[in-house]
Amino acid sequence: EVQLVESGGGLVQPGGSLRLSCAASGFTFSSYEMNWVRQAPGKGLEWVSYISSSGSTIYYADSVKGRFTISRDNAKNSLYLQMNSLRAEDTAVYYCARDSGTTDYWGQGTLVTVSS
Amino acid sequence: EIVMTQSPATLSVSPGERATLSCRASQSVSSNLAWYQQKPGQAPRLLIYGASTRATGIPARFSGSGSGTEFTLTISSLQSEDFAVYYCQQYNNWPRAFGGGTKVEIK
Repeated sequence: EVQLVESGGGLVQPGGSLRLSCAASGFTFSSYEMNWVRQAPGKGLEWVSYISSSGSTIYYADSVKGRFTISRDNAKNSLYLQMNSLRAEDTAVYYCARDSGTTDYWGQGTLVTVSS
Repeated sequence: EIVMTQSPATLSVSPGERATLSCRASQSVSSNLAWYQQKPGQAPRLLIYGASTRATGIPARFSGSGSGTEFTLTISSLQSEDFAVYYCQQYNNWPRAFGGGTKVEIK
């Protein structure tokens, strides 16, 4: 069974940093591309970032470019999102999602709240 | 950047009735279009990919159609568990873009 479990969310002040993790199991993690997608409270879905299976290709949404960094450790079956210079508008549930052309499996998400 | 527009924003339907949801892309995305269902407090679930292919385990009452810029998700006979928010997403170009969602509510 495919499982994606996010962690690392919490309350952070504007301008602060946070690192999200996603632990993957039930599939060959190193063979799949991965994404982060977020959802602000009461709002729709917003794609945030993508990383290829080897980590050699990375894309970001304009809203996070230069502030967020996606990475992965295939030996640990883990995906990461380093978030710096956080803003109030980054407040959202962050989902880790497997990519097989489209996003086919999603984790349950971790809540990031940016507030003073 | 491709913009995805869904309509209507809210659809009120009685159980057993048919629901038709629309999604429009600002430029062609070929058939690289997916539909997701999201219930309160849950992660999205993939329903349809390739515009018309049901994902594993998705009931036959869900069907997708369209290509290019116009797409439709049809739920042939709404069950109680189908009341949720539905999102379309294009995966033809970067950045990936989601529509704003259609909430299907009980009439």
